[in-house]
Amino acid sequence: GQSLEQPSEVTAVEGAIVQINCTYQTSGFYGLSWYQQHDGGAPTFLSYNGLDGLEETGRFSSFLSRSDSYGYLLLQELQMKDSASYFCAVRYGQNFVFGPGTRLSVLP
Amino acid sequence: EPEVTQTPSHQVTQMGQEVILRCVPISNHLYFYWYRQILGQKVEFLVSFYNNEISEKSEIFDDQFSVERPDGSNFTLKIRSTKLEDSAMYFCASSSGQGALQPQHFGDGTRLSIL
Repeated sequence: GQSLEQPSEVTAVEGAIVQINCTYQTSGFYGLSWYQQHDGGAPTFLSYNGLDGLEETGRFSSFLSRSDSYGYLLLQELQMKDSASYFCAVRYGQNFVFGPGTRLSVLP
Repeated sequence: EPEVTQTPSHQVTQMGQEVILRCVPISNHLYFYWYRQILGQKVEFLVSFYNNEISEKSEIFDDQFSVERPDGSNFTLKIRSTKLEDSAMYFCASSSGQGALQPQHFGDGTRLSIL
């Protein structure tokens, strides 16, 4: 199957750390990507995990456990501008499936 | 920084009419994609395109849809006999390589409104 699950909403305060989880049920899995989308904007690539473990890019980190079919995006030192929707995405061949998205609200 | 450009930004069309959405991918990219996003919902894959042919398409991409790369720069999505439920934001994306490691660069989208 090609089904991804994410929490629909997460709320946190400025300066905090938040984790957005993604579980997938796949065959032919090629890795997990994360995209950020601000309201009215286009999705923007954040990170990719092809192998198990943690990938760090500045304030953002992404983790993958293929044995658990699970990954997460970790956002540190939250800023107001991080308020957006975050999508995990999995590639199957040349077909890309996006998760339902998690809306992150950062409060002052 | 090079970017993907889409035109028009907003298209309003009567139901039953044909629309063509246009995209100019990043110049040295080889893989092209169309996605659809209904308001408030997730991004849905429509089709991928490489070497002047469709690589893969989703169940959404039926005979109503077609894609074309008419010249060396444009990549178009044609929707025939539009229906009310075709109203959505349509995103074009391109990437330099095939692997998931190669990030897809998205355009700002075309908002299609079917009346």
